[in-house]
This record gives sequence, C-alpha cells and structure tokens, in this order.
Amino acid sequence: TAGITQAPTSQILAAGRSMTLRCTQDMRHNAMYWYRQDLGLGLRLIHYSNTAGTTGKGEVPDGYSVSRANTDDFPLTLASAVPSQTSVYFCASSDLAGVADTQYFGPGTRLTVL
Amino acid sequence: AQSVTQLDSHVSVSEGTPVLLRCNYSSSYSPSLFWYVQHPNKGLQLLLKYTSAATLVKGINGFEAEFRKSETSFHLTKPSAHMSDAAEYFCVVRDSGTYKYIFGTGTRLKVLA
Repeated sequence: TAGITQAPTSQILAAGRSMTLRCTQDMRHNAMYWYRQDLGLGLRLIHYSNTAGTTGKGEVPDGYSVSRANTDDFPLTLASAVPSQTSVYFCASSDLAGVADTQYFGPGTRLTVL
Repeated sequence: AQSVTQLDSHVSVSEGTPVLLRCNYSSSYSPSLFWYVQHPNKGLQLLLKYTSAATLVKGINGFEAEFRKSETSFHLTKPSAHMSDAAEYFCVVRDSGTYKYIFGTGTRLKVLA
C-alpha cells in the first residue's frame, strides 16, 4: 500500500500567495495531523482531525486552515503565505483504536516562501 | 500538561560503541511513548513504542528503550552503533486523555568511523 502521500514534494511560493498542501492516506485511519518541522524545534502540530468532518487546532495554527471532507484526504491551506511559514510540512495519520497508536508519516513537503 | 525533553541535541559515538539517547517526559495521565527516527531528507519512521505491557521495549534495528516511571524517563539505547544509524531521533509522548502527540526537539546522532 502507498500509506500516506503528500504533494507537492517541494514548492517555492511568493509571499502573499495562497497554496494548498495535499495529503492522502489509504489506510482508513480516522485521525490525521499536520506538522511543521523547523531546525531545533522538532515537529510542531498545526492542525489535527480525529475523524472525518471534525478538525482541531494544534500548537501553531495561525495562518493555516484545514478541512476533512472524507476519511482519506486532509489538505492544509495557507491563505496568504509569509516567509515564517518556510518549513518542511509532514502529514501523519493514526488509527486511534487504542492508546499507543502509531502515527504514520508522509514523505513531507518542503515549502519556501520568499 | 504533557511535555518531552530530549536532553542532548547532538550525540557523537564511534562505530561499534553503545548509543544512549536520553528522553524525559511529563504527563498527567498514563503516557504512551514512542521513538521515531528520521534519516536525512526522509520522513519519520517508528523505532519502538511503549504500550504498558512491558517496561523494556525492543524496536527495529537493534534499538530498545526502558520505561522508568519513577524517573519519568524513556531513554533509547543500542549496544553497538552502525554507520547507518546516523540520523535524527525524536521522542514522543501522548497522554491517554488526548489525541495529540507531543514531540521532543530531536537528537542528532553522528556515528564516527
């Protein structure tokens, strides 16, 4: 199985432009997550969704929005990009069937905002 | 509130010597604990996880970690480092009461020939 796919792999974006990062999973996991990874800060949670139709804010949600129309897809939108949103973005999913549920990660999207 | 502290941002070891990556956590509830590895320009891969079944957890590639509740620690070890172990390692905690995973800031492991 493909697991989690993310698109694009990388992108250079002008400040002020909008962009949607795509994330699709084929494991039928109920929970999905978006993280950003910055040097020295580890991974920080942007938004999450415990099930289709619901979303929640993570640690650093400002400037980002998400939707969860179905189980498989969890797009992340930057409405008006700023340079501080330059980062590597990872999408993840988990089953939430038990307490110690493993998160599975996509390969990441490297975004540069100029 | 839950939190994770990885005590070393960088660790260097010689090939064939033991590896110790330290992690301390803070959790209000019974925690789930994970170690992930990230090789350069790659995504994150699960090394091992603590499920409360056993305090000593064995993972892939010869890694293991011991859950010590009294010390709130979950250190990652490997008896003998290999060049392919050079990567960044993340300790992660999740409270049983939430769906959120909290990541440490990572430890970059360098293996010297």
